[in-house]
Parts: sequence; C-alpha cells; structure tokens
Amino acid sequence: GAVVSQHPSWVICKSGTSVKIECRSLDFQATTMFWYRQFPKQSLMLMATSNEGSKATYEQGVEKDKFLINHASLTLSTLTVTSAHPEDSSFYICSAISGNQPQHFGDGTRLSIL
Amino acid sequence: KQEVTQIPAALSVPEGENLVLNCSFTDSAIYNLQWFRQDPGKGLTSLLLIQSSQREQTSGRLNASLDKSSGRSTLYIAASQPGDSATYLCAVEPPNDYKLSFGAGTTVTVRA
Repeated sequence: GAVVSQHPSWVICKSGTSVKIECRSLDFQATTMFWYRQFPKQSLMLMATSNEGSKATYEQGVEKDKFLINHASLTLSTLTVTSAHPEDSSFYICSAISGNQPQHFGDGTRLSIL
Repeated sequence: KQEVTQIPAALSVPEGENLVLNCSFTDSAIYNLQWFRQDPGKGLTSLLLIQSSQREQTSGRLNASLDKSSGRSTLYIAASQPGDSATYLCAVEPPNDYKLSFGAGTTVTVRA
C-alpha cells in the first residue's frame, strides 16, 4: 500500500518550454503533497508544500511563478516548470502523506533542459 | 534552522563487512528520524523510522539507533552485500510540522 507514482520519469526539452510533472497517490488520499529538488550528490531540498484545494506554500528562495503547483484533487498534484532553462535541470521528487502517516515518495523525475 | 549532516559522504567496503553510517542534526527537538535508501536515478525507499521517544529500531540486517540529546543517529547494516550498494539518506521531522530536513547522504559501494 501507500504507492506514489510520478510521471514522467525522465524528460528532455528545449530551453524556454514549460514542463509538467505529475504526482499521484495510487491507493490513498493525500491531504498534503511535497515537492523536492535534488542536485547531484546533494540532499533533497523542499520546494513547496501542496494542500488539496488551496494554494501551495513555497519555501524561501523558490520562485512561485517559475514553479507552478496545482493540487486539484486528493490524489494528484502537478509541478509545472515554466520557461525552463538549463539551470532548472535537476531531479524532482514528490511525496505524499495522509493523516499522521510518514511521507511516501515517488520515483522522481529527471529533467534535462537543453 | 535544522541542519543534518552525514559523514562519510562515500564508503566502499568488501562484501560481508558491517556498515556504520552516521547522521547528526543540530536541533534535538525532533518528532522522528528516518533512514532512506536511494538507488541511482530513483526515489526514496523508507528503511527505518525512529520516533523521538525510541532509542533504536531494527529490521532484518538493519539497525538504527537514536541519541536525541546529542543529535546523532547511526545506521548499522550487518554482513553487507553488493545489493546494499546505494545512497543512504537520513531525515528528521520536527514536531507539529511535516517538513523533513535531509542530509546529503552516504553513498555505499559493497565490493563482491
């Protein structure tokens, strides 16, 4: 149980395009979802916290107009990287929780901007 | 602000040797601490979760200890196998908040 699916697992796109990443909780309703960014050999950095039906809360230094987060249902949150540039290339991971349970993580999305 | 440090950053051992991975955190006011495994290009798999009131947790060959007052946790992996090769991350959760603070991880290579 408690499976989180992330799609796509890998995406390559041209600079200036927008990319959408989906995070789904497959067998539970996620009251809260989290989006992390991970650079090579570095720790996961929390980007934003997403609650169903409300605006996401962004961590300091994260541009909310650059990284659009939508949490339209209890099983789906999306992260859209707008006008992506090479410096946005990274590994993005989502996680989801239900109630007081620990976070369950997706398999991540490797984003490469050319 | 909570800071989590993992030393060493990388570790290479021959098969069968026991592994000792260290995690330290600056703020002892934590709700729990988790150890995760991350394979290359993959997400996180939770290994062990220790509540702040606990001293250790065990699962198979894995044992994690927690000394909250000194801000330290240690993950022991007994009789290592090549399949244990991965990056191991520790993360702490504060009270009254779900936000996790992660260490940068220890990358383990077990040589056959």
